[in-house]
Order: sequence, then C-alpha cells, then structure tokens
Amino acid sequence: DAGITQSPRHKVTETGTPVTLRCHQTENHRYMYWYRQDPGHGLRLIHYSYGVKDTDKGEVSDGYSVSRSKTEDFLLTLESATSSQTSVYFCAISVGAGEKLFFGSGTQLSVL
Amino acid sequence: KQEVTQIPAALSVPEGENLVLNCSFTDSAIYNLQWFRQDPGKGLTSLLLIQSSQREQTSGRLNASLDKSSGRSTLYIAASQPGDSATYLCAVTPVNSGGSNYKLTFGKGTLLTVNP
Repeated sequence: DAGITQSPRHKVTETGTPVTLRCHQTENHRYMYWYRQDPGHGLRLIHYSYGVKDTDKGEVSDGYSVSRSKTEDFLLTLESATSSQTSVYFCAISVGAGEKLFFGSGTQLSVL
Repeated sequence: KQEVTQIPAALSVPEGENLVLNCSFTDSAIYNLQWFRQDPGKGLTSLLLIQSSQREQTSGRLNASLDKSSGRSTLYIAASQPGDSATYLCAVTPVNSGGSNYKLTFGKGTLLTVNP
C-alpha cells in the first residue's frame, strides 16, 4: 500500500470517548488526506494536510480534528465519538495536490 | 453540487468477457476524471486518470473514455479475469480546482464479479 500504515486497523469504542487514528507514511509525500467511507455515501473527505502544521477542512469535518507535526504522520481525532462516526476511515497521500492518490488499508471504527 | 453516479451497482460476468463500467456526472466543468479499484478490506488503487482535454487513457487491458459534453465516462475491461473482481469507483475534480485531490467527488462504485 505505497508505504502507508494506518493504526489501529480495527477499533470498537463507546459513545463520548475520544479516539485517535494514526496514518504513517514512508514516502515523504507532502499531501495527506483523511476520508471516511460509508454505504450509500461513498468516500468523503474529512480533512487534509498540505504540509507540516498545514491542514484544512474537507466536506465532513464536523466532530473531527487533525494534526500533522511531522511529514510522515497525520493524526485524526474524534473528540467525543458518536454512533454516526461508525465508518471505515482511509488515509491517502499524494506528492502534489493534483497528483495520483495512494490509499492505506483503512481503519474500521465502531462506536457503540 | 457535483453528483457522480455509477450504474449498475453490481455486475457479474463470466471469465473472458469484455465489459464496460459506466460513470456519469452532473456538472461537465471538470478538470479530470479518475478510475480506482478497491478490493475487499483494502484501500483504493488508482487505475487511470483522464484530463479534461483527453478522450481516453489506456493501461493494459483497461481503457477509460471521457465524454465531457454528455457527462459520461466508461471503463472498458478486455478479456476479464477472476482477479479483476473488485469494486470500481470513478471520481471527478471541478475545473476551478486545478485538479486538486481535495475537491474530488467520488461515485459509490460498481461491484464487479468475474466468475471462473
């Protein structure tokens, strides 16, 4: 998967608890993205980063925050998880803003 | 708002058959269109990218065409194999995005099953 590691691969948590998902890349790509994939909605962008400490919101950013303190790591935090955030979360990277996307294998998150 | 539709949602074919997957989009002002493949439990793999000025792109047994004026793209798979079984997604970026990935709009995909 193009040197992209997502952790954890599976997580079950309870409503109201904070959750952090990690994306680690070994490609030194500048751009990193967090998507969620849900039946009936397809893939939707949550947040993206265009460099260390440079991030911006995507289509469905409410309830999520991100941080990127190093080129290789992009963290997605659910401050207080809700059942509507049960989903499969994918990290992706690209060299440039319009360059080919490479995806990680995903994190299956269940919020009970 | 751009909407991307892929019909059918699922397709089952015998091995060796040539097949076409369809993608339609409501706003023809696109910068580019991409086709991806997703295997079960995996992330997406980029297959082909067509710029708005192009009519088609080819990679091996795959050929993607683009008709901006009608808002349609097709992915042609020649001589299908069981290993082609996966979900195929298309995605478009608007013309005012400079092709930026953070403006991608994805379709929901077509689940292809190729039977031996």
